[in-house]
Amino acid sequence: DVVMTQSPLSLPVTLGQPASISCRSSQSLVYSDGVAYLSWFQQRPGQSPRRLIYRASNRDSGVPDRFSGSGSGTEFTLKISRVEAEDVGIYYCMQGTHWPPVTFGGGTKVEIK
Amino acid sequence: QLQLQESGPGLVTPSETLSLTCTVSDDSISSYSYFWSWIRQPPGKGLEWIGSVYDGGSTSYNPSLRTRATMSIDTSRRQFSLKLTSVTAADTAVYYCTRGLSGDKVDYWGQGTLVTVSS
Repeated sequence: DVVMTQSPLSLPVTLGQPASISCRSSQSLVYSDGVAYLSWFQQRPGQSPRRLIYRASNRDSGVPDRFSGSGSGTEFTLKISRVEAEDVGIYYCMQGTHWPPVTFGGGTKVEIK
Repeated sequence: QLQLQESGPGLVTPSETLSLTCTVSDDSISSYSYFWSWIRQPPGKGLEWIGSVYDGGSTSYNPSLRTRATMSIDTSRRQFSLKLTSVTAADTAVYYCTRGLSGDKVDYWGQGTLVTVSS
């Protein structure tokens, strides 16, 4: 199974400041079609997860442009340019390249300082 | 906007079978472009992919569940389902149904349903 390792586990951030979450995979996520099937999800307290980023760097419709994804191979990053109060929650990365199984990172909890 | 709605018992007795259904709001369930999956989240923990049904009825499951999981799809009812046999307390979780394109696997999520395994 592909192991997805996220860091940090917890990320206290001051409102208006940037935040960055790392996700590393145990093997390259680039599929034979050249695409890295790496997604980022946000789970606000008491809600279902919501996808923010797909294929490493594509923002989903309706996602604020302060969220961006980057990376390739085995190293990926989710960045929030200026954290807002509504960004509090747990963020997960997920790979769909090498399956079964589809695997998730352990999550990063973003909170306001 | 696509809607996914999970339904099923909220309480299951240990060693019995957990059965859930997901109702899809549109005809995309008839398209071979999508994967229809179940993902679960134990209280206070992370996300675990259970399995997917795709291409009109092909299935794939998480090896960690061994042979306990079975999924099926009924396009005429716009539903897909999950059965998980021989449940234990470790199967207590919020169960989500999801849809995704074949490469990405997951985009839309249902609201989730809490299933508790207890006598």
